[in-house]
Amino acid sequence: DTAVSQTPKYLVTQMGNDKSIKCEQNLGHDTMYWYKQDSKKFLKIMFSYNNKELIINETVPNRFSPKSPDKAHLNLHINSLELGDSAVYFCASSPTLPGLNTGELFFGEGSRLTVL
Amino acid sequence: KQEVTQIPAALSVPEGENLVLNCSFTDSAIYNLQWFRQDPGKGLTSLLLIQSSQREQTSGRLNASLDKSSGRSTLYIAASQPGDSATYLCAVMDSSYKLIFGSGTRLLVRP
Repeated sequence: DTAVSQTPKYLVTQMGNDKSIKCEQNLGHDTMYWYKQDSKKFLKIMFSYNNKELIINETVPNRFSPKSPDKAHLNLHINSLELGDSAVYFCASSPTLPGLNTGELFFGEGSRLTVL
Repeated sequence: KQEVTQIPAALSVPEGENLVLNCSFTDSAIYNLQWFRQDPGKGLTSLLLIQSSQREQTSGRLNASLDKSSGRSTLYIAASQPGDSATYLCAVMDSSYKLIFGSGTRLLVRP
């Protein structure tokens, strides 16, 4: 009964491939996020969705495309993978838009992507 | 542009010590400040959240303070235990509701 779950936990693939990471939350939250943690351990926001609508879209290559089929799911699809995409990708959720509540985020355990 | 810095980058202490982790941020226009714990290969666990109007929050042996005007927060851990060993991340939610993270403090509590 994990609150925010991501699959797969580990993903090793070749340059140029297309891959997806899935995220599901069972907390009943409206808002979900994708964060990237690079080799220097910095976490940076990539995208945020609220009730299936995109609300934050940082400067991320358009090879990255998030998709939210419903408010409990936010998937991340990456086209034409590059070496620099290797990182740990974290999904998170919050009850609603941060300005309407405390702004506390709940994180998944991360998906480690390695591009060879 | 908001920047978050954490000092020290790493800390090793004997069990039982009280310790302080520091976090500073460049823009005082924040919505909240959050402290997280990250264990190797694991996700982030929220420890404490301080709203911009608050000065401190406490949970068990943890106490976090916030001084918005000086752009500083401290996380105080009392009577440290080996199980406290982890990376501690400070993050501020800026005025556009983005969470900006520091690079973390790696804590090792020696038995």
